[in-house]
Amino acid sequence: DSGVTQTPKHLITATGQRVTLRCSPRSGDLSVYWYQQSLDQGLQFLIQYYNGEERAKGNILERFSAQQFPDLHSELNLSSLELGDSALYFCASSVQGMAGELFFGEGSRLTVL
Amino acid sequence: AQKVTQAQTEISVVEKEDVTLDCVYETRDTTYYLFWYKQPPSGELVFLIRRNSFDEQNEISGRYSWNFQKSTSSFNFTITASQVVDSAVYFCALSEARDFGNEKLTFGTGTRLTIIP
Repeated sequence: DSGVTQTPKHLITATGQRVTLRCSPRSGDLSVYWYQQSLDQGLQFLIQYYNGEERAKGNILERFSAQQFPDLHSELNLSSLELGDSALYFCASSVQGMAGELFFGEGSRLTVL
Repeated sequence: AQKVTQAQTEISVVEKEDVTLDCVYETRDTTYYLFWYKQPPSGELVFLIRRNSFDEQNEISGRYSWNFQKSTSSFNFTITASQVVDSAVYFCALSEARDFGNEKLTFGTGTRLTIIP
């Protein structure tokens, strides 16, 4: 158990809809990262927040947005969903200063029909 | 730009055989970190090892060992006496860690390892 909690574990929705994925980082971790894992794109970095502020942005679509709240949990919002958005979305958190040692949640598997 | 290449897409070996997973990376930075993660069939990503660019000592942890060679930009992972539980997808990753608090990872495409009983 990594200590990172993601909900929901599975989500099935239709094209055009909007969903929110939630992540609670490990206690004390200030950084939250979102990754997308799909068959064709592999593991892609989406976005990072550090103590409530956006820190780095990767291959995140404009239809997607995220935020980190004062209690450090984070939400990833996916809107106007397309079939190609079907993927496993991982949240990870990191120990401050320990470069790259990310602890991943179990992921949220999104299926868009 | 940083890049991680895992040329082996899939590997199958018979149980108890040794197997090496290859990882080649590209980065312009002199300070960076290399990682291996394991993704078992259950789907979660499990951290295995972290190595910084200044430490080229090989590391052994039980049946696992890692060979870091800066000269060839490689960070290979060997499993000795493989077991069925080792079946998983293994990812090599790189972090340039330029900024404090910015530690995003660039992953390779992964190697699917199947251990045949």
